[in-house]
Amino acid sequence: QKEVEQNSGPLSVPEGAIASLNCTYSDRGSQSFFWYRQYSGKSPELIMFIYSNGDKEDGRFTAQLNKASQYVSLLIRDSQPSDSATYLCAVNTGFQKLVFGTGTRLLVSP
Amino acid sequence: DADVTQTPRNRITKTGKRIMLECSQTKGHDRMYWYRQDPGLGLRLIYYSFDVKDINKGEISDGYSVSRQAQAKFSLSLESAIPNQTALYFCATSETGTGLKETQYFGPGTRLLVL
Repeated sequence: QKEVEQNSGPLSVPEGAIASLNCTYSDRGSQSFFWYRQYSGKSPELIMFIYSNGDKEDGRFTAQLNKASQYVSLLIRDSQPSDSATYLCAVNTGFQKLVFGTGTRLLVSP
Repeated sequence: DADVTQTPRNRITKTGKRIMLECSQTKGHDRMYWYRQDPGLGLRLIYYSFDVKDINKGEISDGYSVSRQAQAKFSLSLESAIPNQTALYFCATSETGTGLKETQYFGPGTRLLVL
């Protein structure tokens, strides 16, 4: 079992819809959770950080964390074509390193 | 100016050649990392360093070596390049600490092709 799992996609949504991206992790001791966005050929950039159970909102982005079920999700409201990218989930596994999922590719069609 | 820089940005080399990828940062971070990214495999950690005197192997260190010349510089070497080392290589940095301080900041990447 991989430490951090994501559906590779692509996840296709129409412009204006809500995109829902999911990530599961195996280490129950994980404390910090990150969502990165990566455009094709570019470097990953942080868009959300969460460490407490529940929701955290930042603009059109909402991160949701459920430690009991070991999943973290990212919701993108009012999706725009510019949101088309690969979204990487990263989890601190307790060894002071982040483990990255393989990413979910999101396609937002006009 | 970019906080994390990588040189070269693109490199083509031949099997058996030794090459070095360089990373510099102006963020003042103690921790530095080298990853490779392959399609469908995500980011895989090659080596990481928590300070100048600390070097640790990641999950795929075979065939690679690193040097932490200073707090701001971390170099990755391929001693004898082979075609399956063709990939996109990223350097990243982070602060020392927990929570949000664990955020890693990535350089622009080096695209390496081994013929």
